[in-house]
Amino acid sequence: GQQVMQIPQYQHVQEGEDFTTYCNSSTTLSNIQWYKQRPGGHPVFLIQLVKSGEVKKQKRLTFQFGEAKKNSSLHITATQTTDVGTYFCAGASDYKLSFGAGTTVTVRA
Amino acid sequence: DTEVTQTPKHLVMGMTNKKSLKCEQHMGHRAMYWYKQKAKKPPELMFVYSYEKLSINESVPSRFSPECPNSSLLNLHLHALQPEDSALYLCASSRTRPSTDTQYFGPGTRLTVL
Repeated sequence: GQQVMQIPQYQHVQEGEDFTTYCNSSTTLSNIQWYKQRPGGHPVFLIQLVKSGEVKKQKRLTFQFGEAKKNSSLHITATQTTDVGTYFCAGASDYKLSFGAGTTVTVRA
Repeated sequence: DTEVTQTPKHLVMGMTNKKSLKCEQHMGHRAMYWYKQKAKKPPELMFVYSYEKLSINESVPSRFSPECPNSSLLNLHLHALQPEDSALYLCASSRTRPSTDTQYFGPGTRLTVL
């Protein structure tokens, strides 16, 4: 079945620095979605990428979908303490979303 | 209104108890989901309802029994659970198809099985 791999599992970032989390799928995806889950919270939808090579920005967050629609990345610039949480990618196949393992981000002030 | 509500927020039950989790959305979404999430893990799909019909059961044990009384409500009936079933149970909904539409998650029910 479809698998979505996500790295790194943990990201410890100095406030103000940038970081990137990566997702790779074993199969071509129809789209990929990104969610953020704050500690003690529930997943909250961030963005959906559909087109090959698509790039979308939300303030300090930049999302990319690979040309082959098998990989994606989330880049955060100038990390803030509000960025703390776990970021999940979720690849869409015929009938469901397959979530990556998540990248848990902690920020050093 | 992009809210999915779930009750109760917390639930503690014994292995012989019967309980139910409830989920509600008023966004007009026709697909609803149950996920199970263990600590430090991603959500794991359990069931999908599409237009009030069960369309996907991800090989979930029969001690979990879903029900969709109408297009706004989704229940998960629990019976004879095991301690390893302790987890955060998330409900989600989307406009129609699971594979193309954004899923909106509720706050979850944190279940502890003693």
